[in-house]
Amino acid sequence: KQEVTQIPAALSVPEGENLVLNCSFTDSAIYNLQWFRQDPGKGLTSLLLIQSSQREQTSGRLNASLDKSSGRSTLYIAASQPGDSATYLCAVENQAGTALIFGKGTTLSVSS
Amino acid sequence: DGGITQSPKYLFRKEGQNVTLSCEQNLNHDAMYWYRQDPGQGLRLIYYSQIVNDFQKGDIAEGYSVSREKKESFPLTVTSAQKNPTAFYLCASSRSGTGSHEQYFGPGTRLTVT
Repeated sequence: KQEVTQIPAALSVPEGENLVLNCSFTDSAIYNLQWFRQDPGKGLTSLLLIQSSQREQTSGRLNASLDKSSGRSTLYIAASQPGDSATYLCAVENQAGTALIFGKGTTLSVSS
Repeated sequence: DGGITQSPKYLFRKEGQNVTLSCEQNLNHDAMYWYRQDPGQGLRLIYYSQIVNDFQKGDIAEGYSVSREKKESFPLTVTSAQKNPTAFYLCASSRSGTGSHEQYFGPGTRLTVT
């Protein structure tokens, strides 16, 4: 059974720092991996989608990498800002299933 | 604007009552999903539907029911059989078929049962 783990559970950094969020999964037979952002009490906003054949995706200050063989993904946030404060969720779409399997998230706090 | 709407945003019910959460999408997606989110936990799949008039149970379907009579709509009913119904409920949709498809989420409904 696919399991997704995110480390750390919480992270506090000062504004301007570059940071890395980690995601690991146990079954490498995936179609894709998605990174989401969730603000308190809100729905999920898709940040980046990495297909299983891709190694990385970039959007603005965000860069996500995927190493399927080792079951790992990282989300790199450059020059963090207070507006980046949110919970970041990683999810994989299994080849064997039809829905996403989520990690518990990393709650990021960026102080000014 | 294309997107997913969920209503209401907040819902309060007495224990023992059934309640239906609405989810509508205008993205022309075939697949729709319901997830439940509890504090400190990841999202867990309740039900999903790949096509109209068809749906499948997810990991935690007990105490819930759904229907898919229209492509745009996938309502979720929380029945009195659900032991711990208080949670944040999220609806999502995606293109269907084999392969990789990005999922899009609605704003969620927070249900409180007392």
